[in-house]
Amino acid sequence: ETGVTQTPRHLVMGMTNKKSLKCEQHLGHNAMYWYKQSAKKPLELMFVYSLEERVENNSVPSRFSPECPNSSHLFLHLHTLQPEDSALYLCASSPRGYTDTQYFGPGTRLTVL
Amino acid sequence: ELKVEQNPLFLSMQEGKNYTIYCNYSTTSDRLYWYRQDPGKSLESLFVLLSNGAVKQEGRLMASLDTKARLSTLHITAAVHDLSATYFCAVVLNQAGTALIFGKGTTLSVSS
Repeated sequence: ETGVTQTPRHLVMGMTNKKSLKCEQHLGHNAMYWYKQSAKKPLELMFVYSLEERVENNSVPSRFSPECPNSSHLFLHLHTLQPEDSALYLCASSPRGYTDTQYFGPGTRLTVL
Repeated sequence: ELKVEQNPLFLSMQEGKNYTIYCNYSTTSDRLYWYRQDPGKSLESLFVLLSNGAVKQEGRLMASLDTKARLSTLHITAAVHDLSATYFCAVVLNQAGTALIFGKGTTLSVSS
């Protein structure tokens, strides 16, 4: 595997389910990001991890819970989501922080019923 | 409020024509990115512009940055179908705790 990978690529879940999105980067980067991409809205930064420490949390509801066990892996745990949470969730990584080019994964298309 | 505005949001072009996409941002920045996203796929970095007057070119795309005007342009020369995609500009803001702010994207459709 190369670059940034995400699993699953598609996910359908009910509002009472618990699921997790996984991101893995094979680039040796130290920073990882979760973004939400909704139709007709700009890409929204959700969380940033740098060297496994969370450095940014942009007022994301607590039903989204990130986890970064090491610099190569990033998870987004989902619990009791709402239909408006349906979106494409993109993971990205960069060598260090915001001043570096970010490399994006293919995304997980999430549908909340 | 920090804003990054792109226009147009939708652009339908004929092959062989030239056009420009504009990206305005509302606060100072010393770094601006252009990304491309194909339908159903992820974002791919095209250019990073680091200083006032910076110009980068790759094939039929040329990006420039005017930090005084807080404006970046992405110029398309002699469009071809393969350029059909959504193009995003994103600005790194010079404030602690902020990150990469994206525009809404410009969806480009090139037809013969």
